[in-house]
Amino acid sequence: EDQVTQSPEALRLQEGESSSLNCSYTVSGLRGLFWYRQDPGKGPEFLFTLYSAGEEKEKERLKATLTKKESFLHITAPKPEDSATYLCAVNQAGTALIFGKGTTLSVSS
Amino acid sequence: DTGVSQDPRHKITKRGQNVTFRCDPISEHNRLYWYRQTLGQGPEFLTYFQNEAQLEKSRLLSDRFSAERPKGSFSTLEIQRTEQGDSAMYLCASGRQDYGYTFGSGTRLTVV
Repeated sequence: EDQVTQSPEALRLQEGESSSLNCSYTVSGLRGLFWYRQDPGKGPEFLFTLYSAGEEKEKERLKATLTKKESFLHITAPKPEDSATYLCAVNQAGTALIFGKGTTLSVSS
Repeated sequence: DTGVSQDPRHKITKRGQNVTFRCDPISEHNRLYWYRQTLGQGPEFLTYFQNEAQLEKSRLLSDRFSAERPKGSFSTLEIQRTEQGDSAMYLCASGRQDYGYTFGSGTRLTVV
């Protein structure tokens, strides 16, 4: 039973072409939804935590939003350096984070 | 450097050998987590500590795996009698309850 599902698995964009990544979750008692960025061969790098539906957070070209069943990571005018795997994770009732499989983003110039 | 440190970065071992990894968390974080990640997958939870107490273990953590966190500081993860299926990136993270965790760069294990 998948608790965190990310789509698409892979996304190829041209530089400046905005898009969104999706993370849907089925856990109950959500105590936080997390977005991480992971570069090849490295550990995940924390981006955002969202706690309640309607919450939004921004960092440079990235904006994360949360509804009761899913979260979106919007990428505005991406650059090649935004290429990475973006991971979504949920914290259910204070236990360890449960991760999705990630979306691999490639941005070409 | 106040990040999470893991050692070694890479480990190649023969099947059947024992290996041990070390994690030094951010000093003010009371929680420490171990995850395992294989290619194309998200990190999978193995175990976590609050201070020196091991509070939860995943069913993925077979009896060949053991983790310790003496005195609530650094942690070690030992794998006994390694198998080829143990080949993965082993990630350590530290944090505070209900906050985002900071991950280390991981230890990549290859069992040949």
